[in-house]
Amino acid sequence: KQEVTQIPAALSVPEGENLVLNCSFTDSAIYNLQWFRQDPGKGLTSLLLIQSSQREQTSGRLNASLDKSSGRSTLYIAASQPGDSATYLCAVRIGGYQKVTFGIGTKLQVIP
Amino acid sequence: DTAVSQTPKYLVTQMGNDKSIKCEQNLGHDTMYWYKQDSKKFLKIMFSYNNKELIINETVPNRFSPKSPDKAHLNLHINSLELGDSAVYFCASSQLGLAGGETQYFGPGTRLLVL
Repeated sequence: KQEVTQIPAALSVPEGENLVLNCSFTDSAIYNLQWFRQDPGKGLTSLLLIQSSQREQTSGRLNASLDKSSGRSTLYIAASQPGDSATYLCAVRIGGYQKVTFGIGTKLQVIP
Repeated sequence: DTAVSQTPKYLVTQMGNDKSIKCEQNLGHDTMYWYKQDSKKFLKIMFSYNNKELIINETVPNRFSPKSPDKAHLNLHINSLELGDSAVYFCASSQLGLAGGETQYFGPGTRLLVL
């Protein structure tokens, strides 16, 4: 059974700081891994998707890495802004038609 | 244009009632999902349909019955609502079969409160 853990559960940083969010999973035979952000009272917005054959993906100030052998992914946010404040979730799919397992999320607050 | 839409956005009802939540996607995707996010914010998949066929059913009580009239719609009907059904229900869609490139797109959620 795939389990996904995210550390830390909450993080508060001053504006401008670079930060790293962590995601670990127990079954390394994954199909892909996706990072989302969720704003309070809103749905999920996809940030980055890393295929099992890839090691990282980048979009603007965001960089996600994947190390399947160690069962880890990190989301790096450069030059954080107050608008980055949200809950960040990682989700792991173990097969093309298999379910997606979500972590509980990391709640990020960027202080102006 | 809204990619994945859900109705209603809020639903407050009495225990024992039957209710439905509707979901539509205009992305042309062939796979749709229902997720439940509980009070602790844990997001868990309930069902997944691919081209109107059920492919994932995650030990959900029989009171929950999904229906997919076509691949752009996935509705969720709940019978005999219980207090524990109170949660936010999210619909999502993706296009499977693209060699691991299936980004999931989520709807805004339906906040269900059972009194």
